[in-house]
Amino acid sequence: GESVGLHLPTLSVQEGDNSIINCAYSNSASDYFIWYKQESGKGPQFIIDIRSNMDKRQGQRVTVLLNKTVKHLSLQIAATQPGDSAVYFCAENPGSGGSYIPTFGRGTSLIVHP
Amino acid sequence: GAGVSQSPRYKVAKRGQDVALRCDPISGHVSLFWYQQALGQGPEFLTYFQNEAQLDKSGLPSDRFFAERPEGSVSTLKIQRTQQEDSAVYLCASSLARGVGETQYFGPGTRLLVL
Repeated sequence: GESVGLHLPTLSVQEGDNSIINCAYSNSASDYFIWYKQESGKGPQFIIDIRSNMDKRQGQRVTVLLNKTVKHLSLQIAATQPGDSAVYFCAENPGSGGSYIPTFGRGTSLIVHP
Repeated sequence: GAGVSQSPRYKVAKRGQDVALRCDPISGHVSLFWYQQALGQGPEFLTYFQNEAQLDKSGLPSDRFFAERPEGSVSTLKIQRTQQEDSAVYLCASSLARGVGETQYFGPGTRLLVL
């Protein structure tokens, strides 16, 4: 069936390096994508989103890239800090009929070493 | 309040017991969602409310699960005759309005352990 998934379950980086977390999706009807950060014992926290009519969007230290041709989404974190250590989820909204319910992928654990 | 709150934060139940999980959304938020998150997995949708109306309950895994939001603010997720497979974190999220692109704000979750 249609699904959202992540390539790498765990990513370890050194403090100050740039991090790239990848996500593949299979529902070509999806028109809205969101990245969430989840720290231990907390609920997911919105980081950044992107609509399907864009291929790049930047926030503070984060950039989301969308490649609709290969159905690939990535989250880039610049100058990664220990506080960035968390599990990162991508989520998609199918969009058809105005669906508002995101489908989450499995998640990638980002570990930042000081 | 400042954010979405959930109670209790932790719940241990014996198999067969009924449990009730509470969610206090951000004041004024129209939409409220419940999710179930298994260990190491992403949240999975359970049900959705717009004000007091339950518009989608397609994610509820069985008729043992029931959710309500009688006054369009606080919501309760009830699980009857709990089973071990119900052990998970139950997340509540709210958003200001309905629609694609509305940011969902999540609570800290209730961690349920069924023995």
